[in-house]
Amino acid sequence: NAGVTQTPKFRILKIGQSMTLQCTQDMNHNYMYWYRQDPGMGLKLIYYSVGAGITDKGEVPNGYNVSRSTTEDFPLRLELAAPSQTSVYFCASSSFRDRSFYEQYFGPGTRLTVT
Amino acid sequence: EDKVVQSPLSLVVHEGDTVTLNCSYEVTNFRSLLWYKQEKKAPTFLFMLTSSGIEKKSGRLSSILDKKELSSILNITATQTGDSAIYLCAVPGSNYKLTFGKGTLLTVNP
Repeated sequence: NAGVTQTPKFRILKIGQSMTLQCTQDMNHNYMYWYRQDPGMGLKLIYYSVGAGITDKGEVPNGYNVSRSTTEDFPLRLELAAPSQTSVYFCASSSFRDRSFYEQYFGPGTRLTVT
Repeated sequence: EDKVVQSPLSLVVHEGDTVTLNCSYEVTNFRSLLWYKQEKKAPTFLFMLTSSGIEKKSGRLSSILDKKELSSILNITATQTGDSAIYLCAVPGSNYKLTFGKGTLLTVNP
């Protein structure tokens, strides 16, 4: 199993550009999450999904959009990138079938810089 | 709103020292508390503590939950340079969302 994969690993965007961060998991997990991590700030939840077709906002959703058309994929869309969106983005997944769905499996992260 | 506070925010020790990292939480309906280790990349899971199991151990790492004090500690004995990382504490809240603390940056010097 590859686990949770994210692409790209790094990206530099100009202000106002758009992009999609890709996230795929091959563990058949129901739950998927997008976090951002700023230096010294821990992880903040952007959006999450409890299954295909169902998404909901987390703590910091403004400026982002998500979709979940399949169990495996959970892309994060940035429209009109702003410098405040410079961060490291992590995708994660979890499943009720594991010993606890609170044990989230993280992807390797995408480092995004907006200038 | 659920809250997780970790202390200290950073810590520098020498190899062989023992360290204690703290995590306090406020959550409406406590289910569990999780510890993660984050080196240069993604967080990796260390422990989960629930009401039914208040202590966990793995090698030199151990963690205790104090439900009365709404807190947990993570102990690392005989630290090694490979223990250098950010240690994150998290609690699940409503709708299966995790609330993370800001983390403790541990630096172990040779």
